[in-house]
Amino acid sequence: AQTVTQSQPEMSVQEAETVTLSCTYDTSESDYYLFWYKQPPSRQMILVIRQEAYKQQNATENRFSVNFQKAAKSFSLKISDSQLGDAAMYFCAYTSTGNQFYFGTGTSLTVIP
Amino acid sequence: DAGVIQSPRHEVTEMGQEVTLRCKPISGHDYLFWYRQTMMRGLELLIYFNNNVPIDDSGMPEDRFSAKMPNASFSTLKIQPSEPRDSAVYFCASSLALWETQYFGPGTRLLVL
Repeated sequence: AQTVTQSQPEMSVQEAETVTLSCTYDTSESDYYLFWYKQPPSRQMILVIRQEAYKQQNATENRFSVNFQKAAKSFSLKISDSQLGDAAMYFCAYTSTGNQFYFGTGTSLTVIP
Repeated sequence: DAGVIQSPRHEVTEMGQEVTLRCKPISGHDYLFWYRQTMMRGLELLIYFNNNVPIDDSGMPEDRFSAKMPNASFSTLKIQPSEPRDSAVYFCASSLALWETQYFGPGTRLLVL
């Protein structure tokens, strides 16, 4: 069964606008971690943002922020003031302290000039 | 640190040949991951190690694939015999812990003719 679901295979956003990428997950664990990774056309995968499940506060990294809804098992990524360099594949990932690790199928983001 | 190092960056081989992909993780990282990425199947976790010990190899497609980590600074992924359907980009990543950020290598693009 798919543990991490990214329901949007493709998304597009106008430059300087805001876009939200969705991610849901399924777990019975109480202690876990969620990630958003970015893979640009260069293929080099890099971390965008990380969230610990025990923290109430949503993680933020400059123009990137998450909306973490623990009860709903939702972990969406918001990109504000989109830039051309944000065009990439974005992967949501989940890990728990119980040696489980899963990636979503990815969302391809296009930024329109 | 130079980051995660993978070699070769590109490999072209003929069906039936043995292929060995190599990875040097970031020094001090206890976890090492091998992934495969294709257009059809997306990003797949093949296997991961903790302190040189394989923890989860459920993603290894079949007996033709094997992975080893003889020491903390080196891992190999071997395909023997290779088949055209093994053509993909293979990524290695390492992290301090399962719940910490994974740092990815640049990938090895494998083409099996």
